[in-house]
Order: sequence, then C-alpha cells, then structure tokens
Amino acid sequence: DAGVIQSPRHEVTEMGQEVTLRCKPISGHDYLFWYRQTMMRGLELLIYFNNNVPIDDSGMPEDRFSAKMPNASFSTLKIQPSEPRDSAVYFCASSISGFPTDTQYFGPGTRLTVL
Amino acid sequence: QKEVEQNSGPLSVPEGAIASLNCTYSDRGSQSFFWYRQYSGKSPELIMSIYSNGDKEDGRFTAQLNKASQYVSLLIRDSQPSDSATYLCAVNGRAGGYNKLIFGAGTRLAVHP
Repeated sequence: DAGVIQSPRHEVTEMGQEVTLRCKPISGHDYLFWYRQTMMRGLELLIYFNNNVPIDDSGMPEDRFSAKMPNASFSTLKIQPSEPRDSAVYFCASSISGFPTDTQYFGPGTRLTVL
Repeated sequence: QKEVEQNSGPLSVPEGAIASLNCTYSDRGSQSFFWYRQYSGKSPELIMSIYSNGDKEDGRFTAQLNKASQYVSLLIRDSQPSDSATYLCAVNGRAGGYNKLIFGAGTRLAVHP
C-alpha cells in the first residue's frame, strides 16, 4: 500500500511568491496533520484535520499560511506571500484516529527554500 | 521550560553496546509517549509507544516511563551502525485537549563499528 504522498519533494521559490504544498493521506485514515521542521524549532504541528474538517490551527504561524482539505484524499498547505523564514521541511502525516495513541504515518516531506 | 526536553547529543556508542536516550516532559497531564526515529533527510517513523509506568520491550528496543518523575527513556540493546539516526521523543500535550503531539528537539545517536 502506498504511504502518505507529498508533492513536490523540493521547492525553491523567491520571497513574495505563493507556494502550495500537497498531500495525499493513506486511504482510510481520518486524520491528517501538517508539521514543519526546522533546526531551530524542531518538529511543530501546524494544523490537523478530522474527516476533512480543520480541528486545530493554533500552530499556523500567521495569516500567510492556510490549509485546506477538500476531500478525504487531498490536502494543501499554502503560503502567500512566502518569506525566507518559511524555509523548512514540511511534513504531512495521517492516522486512523486522532487520539495520539494511534500511529501517525509521515510522508517524505517537502523541502521548501525561499530565497 | 520546554514542554519536551532531550539532550541533543550526539550520543556516541560502540557497536554492540546499549544506547540510552532520555526525555523529560513538563505536563503532568500527558498520558501518551512515543519514540520516533528519523534518519538524515528522511521522515520520522514510530518505533515505540508507551502509556503506563514501567518498561515496554520490542525486540532490541525498550521504552521506560516514570510519570512521577516525568521521564521517559529509550534503550537500544546491541546497537548497530544502522541505528545511527536522530531519535525524537513525543508527548501528547495540553494544547488542543491532549490530542496533539509535542516533539522534543531530538537526540542524535551515532553507533560506530
């Protein structure tokens, strides 16, 4: 079975440009999580969805970030406008249930570089 | 104080030795504890979870939890060079009604032949 799929794997853009990261969770998983990882701040949860509905977006750093999940098999994380401090690896993860007792499966990540 | 604290390392151990990785957490309400392994340039993968005080063993890995001391550890027996990675401790945090994982910064483990 395919795991969590993310695209693109690498993104290089210039400051001010819009960036869209994409994620396809594992089929049958009802929860989807977006994380950001940097050397300075480690792995941080940005937002998570349950059955396509955003449940907690308190980790989204600012209004420049937005996330959507139009259906059970697709989610996007958008940054507009992008800034150099947004450079990080963005991971998408999914799980069958949201309570942390269930395993979260991570995608390969998107390495974003904003120049 | 950070919610989840780990020594960043690197922790260097010889092949065949026991590697001991430690983690402390600040929220006494946390109930679920996880160890993820992350190879360089790869995504985190779950290797152990523990919810009750005491030890939990899985192959060469043993997780230990002491809620009174707010301490969780991971022991890797017979360490192999393939165990060289960053190990992330994760705890369910208060924010979001304990439905969110809070990750430590990770401990880098280096197993040398």
